[in-house]
Amino acid sequence: GIQVEQSPPDLILQEGANSTLRCNFSDSVNNLQWFHQNPWGQLINLFYIPSGTKQNGRLSATTVATERYSLLYISSSQTTDSGVYFCAVERHDYKLSFGAGTTVTVRA
Amino acid sequence: DAGVTQSPTHLIKTRGQQVTLRCSPKSGHDTVSWYQQALGQGPQFIFQYYEEEERQRGNFPDRFSGHQFPNYSSELNVNALLLGDSALYLCASSPTGTSGLMPDTQYFGPGTRLTVL
Repeated sequence: GIQVEQSPPDLILQEGANSTLRCNFSDSVNNLQWFHQNPWGQLINLFYIPSGTKQNGRLSATTVATERYSLLYISSSQTTDSGVYFCAVERHDYKLSFGAGTTVTVRA
Repeated sequence: DAGVTQSPTHLIKTRGQQVTLRCSPKSGHDTVSWYQQALGQGPQFIFQYYEEEERQRGNFPDRFSGHQFPNYSSELNVNALLLGDSALYLCASSPTGTSGLMPDTQYFGPGTRLTVL
C-alpha cells in the first residue's frame, strides 16, 4: 500500500513562531487532506489539497503532486495550535492512509 | 448543520464480548468510513460503506463487520473482543461527486473510545 511519512515527529514552538510540517507519499494520489487532532481526539479538517496551494487564516498548505510531497505552514503560532497534525492520502481506492503525525507543542 | 455524530463516546467491555458502535453522517453525505486509532498512532482504515454495501476493506479480521442503513447511518460491530481492540474508533463521512459537493473529502466524528479489559 501507499506509504506516508511525516516530519518532524515532534515540534516545540514559542508562541508567535512560524513552522513547516512535511508529508511525503510514495505514489500518485487523488486525495490529500491535512487534519488537526485536538486533545479530545477530534480530527478537524484543515485542507483538502491533492495539488496546488491553499490558505486559511494563519495556515497554508502546498502540495507538489509530481514530487509527491505536501507542506503545511503555521504562521504566528498560538497555544491553541497545539495538537497532532496528520497528513492523509488516498489512491483511487476509497481508503485514506495516514502518516504517523507531527505533535506540535506551542508554549506561551 | 450537524456534523458527523458517533455514539457512545466511551465504552468499556471485557475480552470475548461483542460491541456495536454507531455513526450518523454529515448532512448531504452518503458514504461512511470507519477507522481505528491506537494510542500514539495514526488512524487505520477498517472499511467503507456506500449504498448499503461494503465497497472497500482494510487489513482487519472478519471479527470487524459493519452495516449501512437506508438513511446512510452506519454501525461497526466487533466480535470476540481482544485487549488489542482497545482504541479510538472514528467514523468519517463524505459526499459522492454527483451531489455537487467536493467528493473524496472525509469529515470525521468525535470518535468512540473503546477499552477492553
